[in-house]
Amino acid sequence: EVQLVESGGGLVQPGGSLRLSCAASGFTFSSYWMHWVRQAPGKGLVWVSRINSDGSSTSYADSVKGRFTISRDNAKNTLYLQMNSLRAEDTAVYYCARRGGVGATPNAFDIWGQGTMVTVSS
Amino acid sequence: QSALTQPPSASGSPGQSVTISCTGTSSDVGGYNYVSWYQQHPGKAPKLMIYEVSKRPSGVPDRFSGSKSGNTASLTVSGLQAEDEADYYCSSYAGTVFGGGTKLTVL
Repeated sequence: EVQLVESGGGLVQPGGSLRLSCAASGFTFSSYWMHWVRQAPGKGLVWVSRINSDGSSTSYADSVKGRFTISRDNAKNTLYLQMNSLRAEDTAVYYCARRGGVGATPNAFDIWGQGTMVTVSS
Repeated sequence: QSALTQPPSASGSPGQSVTISCTGTSSDVGGYNYVSWYQQHPGKAPKLMIYEVSKRPSGVPDRFSGSKSGNTASLTVSGLQAEDEADYYCSSYAGTVFGGGTKLTVL
């Protein structure tokens, strides 16, 4: 079964750090670009970051640039998001998502994880 | 990039059709045939419903259809069913911008 499973969320104080993980299974992880998308409570989806298939290229939303770092370990089929200098406005459910477009897969976010909640509060 | 513009709400009775719009610019919606639509039920992860403007992934009912004209894309849900009640989001190009979301209510 093709799936993504996030972990690592929790409660952290402002200024603190957290590392999210996203374990992939059921597909050739190393062939796909991967993204993080977040959703604050009661709000819409917001793109956070993306990484290309071999990890050599990354991109970030302005709101997290310089504070968050996306990375991947293709040998472990795992995507990461290192979040530093966390702020209250970073409170959200964080989803990892596969960007298709490889082979016959849709060129869109075709697979999503279940999400992991990050709460930044003192 | 600015968020794409969607109406905050839409509604229809069972069996009716409803269309949700998604307006961007010539740099996103209008410039590329990579508009996608996602359905999200409360407490659940988003689900891909339409990609590349009008294509449906395997398993998505053909009641869901997509189109585009200029800088505006549209998602149409025909033959509304109770389970279609959800939030819908559009996204464009490389996925780095989403619409604000539309809450679809089945009356």
